[in-house]
Amino acid sequence: AQKVTQAQTEISVVEKEDVTLDCVYETRDTTYYLFWYKQPPSGELVFLIRRNSFDEQNEISGRYSWNFQKSTSSFNFTITASQVVDSAVYFCALSEREDSSYKLIFGSGTRLLVRP
Amino acid sequence: DTAVSQTPKYLVTQMGNDKSIKCEQNLGHDTMYWYKQDSKKFLKIMFSYNNKELIINETVPNRFSPKSPDKAHLNLHINSLELGDSAVYFCASSHPLRQGKTQYFGPGTRLLVL
Repeated sequence: AQKVTQAQTEISVVEKEDVTLDCVYETRDTTYYLFWYKQPPSGELVFLIRRNSFDEQNEISGRYSWNFQKSTSSFNFTITASQVVDSAVYFCALSEREDSSYKLIFGSGTRLLVRP
Repeated sequence: DTAVSQTPKYLVTQMGNDKSIKCEQNLGHDTMYWYKQDSKKFLKIMFSYNNKELIINETVPNRFSPKSPDKAHLNLHINSLELGDSAVYFCASSHPLRQGKTQYFGPGTRLLVL
């Protein structure tokens, strides 16, 4: 069965520290997509990144970087030089195809608190 | 130029009432979804519609009935509300082929059943 595990329930860091959020997934599909979403205290779900299972290149976007390793079924997310505005719940998700649609299987989320 | 919008943002109601949540997207997407986020922040899909046709129906009570009048709208009607229905309901949309099926979410509707 498809499953996403975010073992870190909550992480607390001091501003400017680097922090890595872990994500491990299980899937029987050979082609799949992985995602990270951010849910700030205001509550909306903000799309951060999508990764195709065929593309194992790591990606960097400003202070954000993602490390996709198919061999360990992991898709980890690192924030460099964290800021207070990074405080949020971060969700990792895996897409699962069902008929002509896709559904997202979410992990349980990691709450990141960045203290000034 | 809101991409995915939901109304209302907050909904407080009594047990047993019937209520509706509306969702609209202006992204030109063909597929729309409803997700439920419980008090522990766990997100789970409820329904998916593709071109107004119901595709995914997770094990959701019959009291929940989605309706898609056109590709840009997906509404959620809930009958006989129960305390356990209190949650945040998110609408989302995606293009079936482009953008890697990325789902873009609305702001959420916070439902509180008293």
